[in-house]
Amino acid sequence: EADIYQTPRYLVIGTGKKITLECSQTMGHDKMYWYQQDPGMELHLIHYSYGVNSTEKGDLSSESTVSRIRTEHFPLTLESARPSHTSQYLCASSESGTGGVYGYTFGSGTRLTVV
Amino acid sequence: DAKTTQPPSMDCAEGRAANLPCNHSTISGNEYVYWYRQIHSQGPQYIIHGLKNNETNEMASLIITEDRKSSTLILPHATLRDTAVYYCIVSSYAGNMLTFGGGTRLMVKP
Repeated sequence: EADIYQTPRYLVIGTGKKITLECSQTMGHDKMYWYQQDPGMELHLIHYSYGVNSTEKGDLSSESTVSRIRTEHFPLTLESARPSHTSQYLCASSESGTGGVYGYTFGSGTRLTVV
Repeated sequence: DAKTTQPPSMDCAEGRAANLPCNHSTISGNEYVYWYRQIHSQGPQYIIHGLKNNETNEMASLIITEDRKSSTLILPHATLRDTAVYYCIVSSYAGNMLTFGGGTRLMVKP
């Protein structure tokens, strides 16, 4: 049973629009992540957070921004969407103290299409 | 974290064992081997992990060679629902990042 929720599941939006992808988890995890994945391609880390008011950029450069004002909430924002932002965005969380990459929980993803 | 090498794709007959190999020849002493899978375009799902001993859970078995330079994930009785991309990841227990490679696309056929 997934305890991490992403909305919307699908989004089609016009170029230049501002969008926010929502991600919430009910597990009390300190660490949260955003990955980007094009169809049939690898997942790439674009943002992560180790706790409230902590955000860092990941390995893949992204024009998106994130915020972490509450432990359970880690939204991703695109100020001006472009067709190159078309992709799937996956949110994940993990518990501090367990160590390693064991125990990551992923959301179902948001499939974004910018036309 | 050490790099891993996996075959890009494999087929398996339904009901048979699926054996997915992973090479990690540069693994260091404090690094674990983790396996995740991604079904269609859903978020990846944790399967199993190990350090040097073989491990088994309700989903799969993990066999790690004595020199720890390679491992095999075994799905003992593959079903059509096991069709997915399987990722082998090597990371220290203190590591924080889940870094994905290309994985192995397993196709289970009737």
